[in-house]
Amino acid sequence: ETGVTQSPTHLIKTRGQQVTLRCSSQSGHNTVSWYQQALGQGPQFIFQYYREEENGRGNFPPRFSGLQFPNYSSELNVNALELDDSALYLCASSSVGGSGGSYGYTFGSGTRLTVV
Amino acid sequence: DQQVKQNSPSLSVQEGRISILNCDYTNSMFDYFLWYKKYPAEGPTFLISISSIKDKNEDGRFTVFLNKSAKHLSLHIVPSQPGDSAVYFCAAGQGGSEKLVFGKGTKLTVNP
Repeated sequence: ETGVTQSPTHLIKTRGQQVTLRCSSQSGHNTVSWYQQALGQGPQFIFQYYREEENGRGNFPPRFSGLQFPNYSSELNVNALELDDSALYLCASSSVGGSGGSYGYTFGSGTRLTVV
Repeated sequence: DQQVKQNSPSLSVQEGRISILNCDYTNSMFDYFLWYKKYPAEGPTFLISISSIKDKNEDGRFTVFLNKSAKHLSLHIVPSQPGDSAVYFCAAGQGGSEKLVFGKGTKLTVNP
């Protein structure tokens, strides 16, 4: 059973640029969530996708957008990057019909994004 | 507004002793709670969870206690092992919402 894989592992972008982060869910999982973890903070919920539809969103501006594909892989897109977007971005998947939170998500190792 | 608080940034214990990690929350609507462990350069790993209808859940060396009236939960690790050294995150969720709210984490160091 493969886990959650994220790419790239590290990325450096310039302020104002756009970035796409990718996530392959664990086999059999149909729900994917994205979290942002700033230095010294806990992960913060960005949004979740279930069956290719957005299924909840945290307090992030619209320049944070996402997609989920039929094979349950996912992308996080961030436009007009700002310095404060520098963080570890974590993807998490679950299989319990969108109600995976109480069962514990499987997290990937994350993408470390640095905006300069 | 920090709804989940882990007030101890770090904790150091001796191998074989008990580790107690604490977490407080403010939102009484949370109905399940989880603990995650995170090693450097890895994603958080699910450890143990507890529903708000319970006050204790045990899994091997790990026990989570929930005190709803105090809005407090704790994770007990007995006995502590050097491999338990990691950052531990407390998280809370609410039925009908898949958003997990995390604390800032507590770095546990278990000394041999």
